[in-house]
Amino acid sequence: DQQVKQNSPSLSVQEGRISILNCDYTNSMFDYFLWYKKYPAEGPTFLISISSIKDKNEDGRFTVFLNKSAKHLSLHIVPSQPGDSAVYFCAASAGSNTGKLIFGQGTTLQVKP
Amino acid sequence: EAGVAQSPRYKIIEKRQSVAFWCNPISGHATLYWYQQILGQGPKLLIQFQNNGVVDDSQLPKDRFSAERLKGVDSTLKIQPAKLEDSAVYLCATQAPYSSGYNEQFFGPGTRLTVL
Repeated sequence: DQQVKQNSPSLSVQEGRISILNCDYTNSMFDYFLWYKKYPAEGPTFLISISSIKDKNEDGRFTVFLNKSAKHLSLHIVPSQPGDSAVYFCAASAGSNTGKLIFGQGTTLQVKP
Repeated sequence: EAGVAQSPRYKIIEKRQSVAFWCNPISGHATLYWYQQILGQGPKLLIQFQNNGVVDDSQLPKDRFSAERLKGVDSTLKIQPAKLEDSAVYLCATQAPYSSGYNEQFFGPGTRLTVL
């Protein structure tokens, strides 16, 4: 049972344009959502998060949007840079202090110069 | 601040052999996780420790996998005997004590295991 799904395995965008990565979830108990970025041969690194009491969180070029009714979240990167090329994982947690994360399958983003 | 350390980085073994992975967390991080990441999938939690106690090991295949966290610091994950389907990257992550909001997990570089 895949509780967190990233249906696009890959995405390719031109440098300077917007990248939009999507994530869907099924468990309505999830109340905290995170995005992690992973480069080859490295562990995932935290990028941005959002609590279920919000519908948007912004940090520099990165914005996460949450649509609770649709059980959908998205990560927007504007403008995209070649250094953003990596695998992006969406993750969800039931309880901000619970720690246990359920990850999606990941989306490989390629930003072309 | 030093990150999460893991060793070895790579390991190749034959099926039915044993293997162990080691993780050294960020200083002061009481919570430690082991994840298994199979190629093309996201990380899947195997076990969660709070200090040296197990919080959640519901996804750990206990007939072959074991883990311990001595003195609430370093941790080892062992597989005995290994199967072909155990080929994956094993990630260790640690988390600071809860204060307010959400404390993100910090991941180590992982150990890539290949079982032949």
